[in-house]
Amino acid sequence: AQKVTQAQTEISVVEKEDVTLDCVYETRDTTYYLFWYKQPPSGELVFLIRRNSFDEQNEISGRYSWNFQKSTSSFNFTITASQVVDSAVYFCALSDFTSYGKLTFGQGTILTVHP
Amino acid sequence: DGGITQSPKYLFRKEGQNVTLSCEQNLNHDAMYWYRQDPGQGLRLIYYSQIVNDFQKGDIAEGYSVSREKKESFPLTVTSAQKNPTAFYLCASSPGAGEGETQYFGPGTRLLVL
Repeated sequence: AQKVTQAQTEISVVEKEDVTLDCVYETRDTTYYLFWYKQPPSGELVFLIRRNSFDEQNEISGRYSWNFQKSTSSFNFTITASQVVDSAVYFCALSDFTSYGKLTFGQGTILTVHP
Repeated sequence: DGGITQSPKYLFRKEGQNVTLSCEQNLNHDAMYWYRQDPGQGLRLIYYSQIVNDFQKGDIAEGYSVSREKKESFPLTVTSAQKNPTAFYLCASSPGAGEGETQYFGPGTRLLVL
């Protein structure tokens, strides 16, 4: 069965600090996809990134970076020089062949960035 | 502007009443999904549709019903059989229904019971 664990329920940082959000996943499939979504206070989920299981290269997009490690089944998300606008709930999600494309979400991490 | 719209933003339900949440997309996506989010929890799949006139139950389908008569529309009805309907409901769509497809979400509907 698929499972996504975000062990950090809440994280609080001061602006300009770096912060890493952890995501650990479980799947028996060799082909799978991992996603990160951001949910600001407005409620809408905003897609951030998709990564497939055959691409272990780290990705950087501005202040955001993602570290995918198959050896530890982790797909961690780092925000560099955090800003107040980064305050949101962040979800990690998994889609694999067995689930026919359905997403399995983690419980989410609430990030609060204080000025 | 392409996107997903959900209405209403807030919905109030009386005991024993059925209510319908609207979800429309103009992205020409084949697949559509309904999720429920409770406070402090992740998203749980209610129903999904991979193609017009076809839909499948998700993990928590009891007390809900859907239809997919048009590609762009996927309304969700919360029936009186759903005893705890208070939650935030999110609709999503994806270009196809495979394991690599990215789902894009609407702004959500918050359902409250009077």
